[in-house]
Amino acid sequence: SQQGEEDPQALSIQEGENATMNCSYKTSINNLQWYRQNSGRGLVHLILIRSNEREKHSGRLRVTLDTSKKSSSLLITASRAADTASYFCATDRRGGSYIPTFGRGTSLIVHP
Amino acid sequence: KAGVTQTPRYLIKTRGQQVTLSCSPISGHRSVSWYQQTPGQGLQFLFEYFSETQRNKGNFPGRFSGRQFSNSRSEMNVSTLELGDSALYLCASSPAGQETQYFGPGTRLLVL
Repeated sequence: SQQGEEDPQALSIQEGENATMNCSYKTSINNLQWYRQNSGRGLVHLILIRSNEREKHSGRLRVTLDTSKKSSSLLITASRAADTASYFCATDRRGGSYIPTFGRGTSLIVHP
Repeated sequence: KAGVTQTPRYLIKTRGQQVTLSCSPISGHRSVSWYQQTPGQGLQFLFEYFSETQRNKGNFPGRFSGRQFSNSRSEMNVSTLELGDSALYLCASSPAGQETQYFGPGTRLLVL
């Protein structure tokens, strides 16, 4: 089964709006990463947040992590049509291999 | 630095055949991981190689195998292809000791 699960499965917004997607996971982790995938292409790493961090920013991206709830959120502010992609969270397992386990992703469509 | 490259990009095979996919990691990256991505199962980890040794393995049948060469280039082989092996196969490399993975564009395999 997937370690991380993104929610919602699909999100459709207008350019300029903010997009928020969530990730829930099951076991304790060392870190959580967010990746983006444009249609049928490879994944691009966006941001890594460690288990002892609560919030991280990178440009228009803001990631939060709540280890007590085993959840993370990715906020994309002032979205652009170019942000249209699938977004995946990936978690490792504390005490286990650092190989990330990916969720099924959130498909984001930003309408111009 | 050049990114991760995968060859071929597209491949059509018939059931029962075998296929070999190639991945060249980013220069200096010694870890190479392989993933299978399908609409139904999402992104699933196949295996990881580090310094020519398989370090981690996912839950795939023995028909899926891989290897890594001394220059860190990696190949994966799928024997006795089945229709369900149709997927996007992604390769990712990472520097030693780092969790972030850098993905190639993928090889799209269609089994008829």
